[in-house]
Amino acid sequence: GAVVSQHPSRVICKSGTSVKIECRSLDFQATTMFWYRQFPKKSLMLMATSNEGSKATYEQGVEKDKFLINHASLTLSTLTVTSAHPEDSSFYICSARPGRGQETQYFGPGTRLLVL
Amino acid sequence: DAKTTQPPSMDCAEGRAANLPCNHSTISGNEYVYWYRQIHSQGPQYIIHGLKNNETNEMASLIITEDRKSSTLILPHATLRDTAVYYCIVRVLDSGYALNFGKGTSLLVTP
Repeated sequence: GAVVSQHPSRVICKSGTSVKIECRSLDFQATTMFWYRQFPKKSLMLMATSNEGSKATYEQGVEKDKFLINHASLTLSTLTVTSAHPEDSSFYICSARPGRGQETQYFGPGTRLLVL
Repeated sequence: DAKTTQPPSMDCAEGRAANLPCNHSTISGNEYVYWYRQIHSQGPQYIIHGLKNNETNEMASLIITEDRKSSTLILPHATLRDTAVYYCIVRVLDSGYALNFGKGTSLLVTP
């Protein structure tokens, strides 16, 4: 089956630093990748849609200069949280869409970010 | 995407069938019913999807009413590892857009 990985799985950083999270589709090419964040006991909220080779589309209220998304290849998208603050602490999840036939989206295992 | 309504929580005894309902009374003719689940601290996992016919795979069965206004996800023999939040999502097939997760149903499978 389709596998999506994320790295790191867990990260702790100091306030003011930047953190990069990688999302990889391991056995398929993903024309589109999505980034979500999830706060405790809440549902997933879409942050942005990333298409390979083009700029990401951000949801309303998500700062594009703070959450930098790069989708440089068909198997890799990165999310960089710049100048992280404690309120950015959350569970970040990516998903990838193979883009063929009746395929659906496949999710990574998530990255737990804690900003001190 | 059509709106869905699910009970916030359900319990099920291990080994029994878990029947998770979902109402989607405003579903359009070209919208499919998708089910995902999220085990605690993991990414969501695709379970099954269907249009109007009942569907079955190795994980679950999906029963869609004839008028398509509601559906039921059935886990035939629930195990403790099935404890998760289950999301029913209605959308056009392979639309290319992100999935819109509602609040889902928190299923607790007990020994």
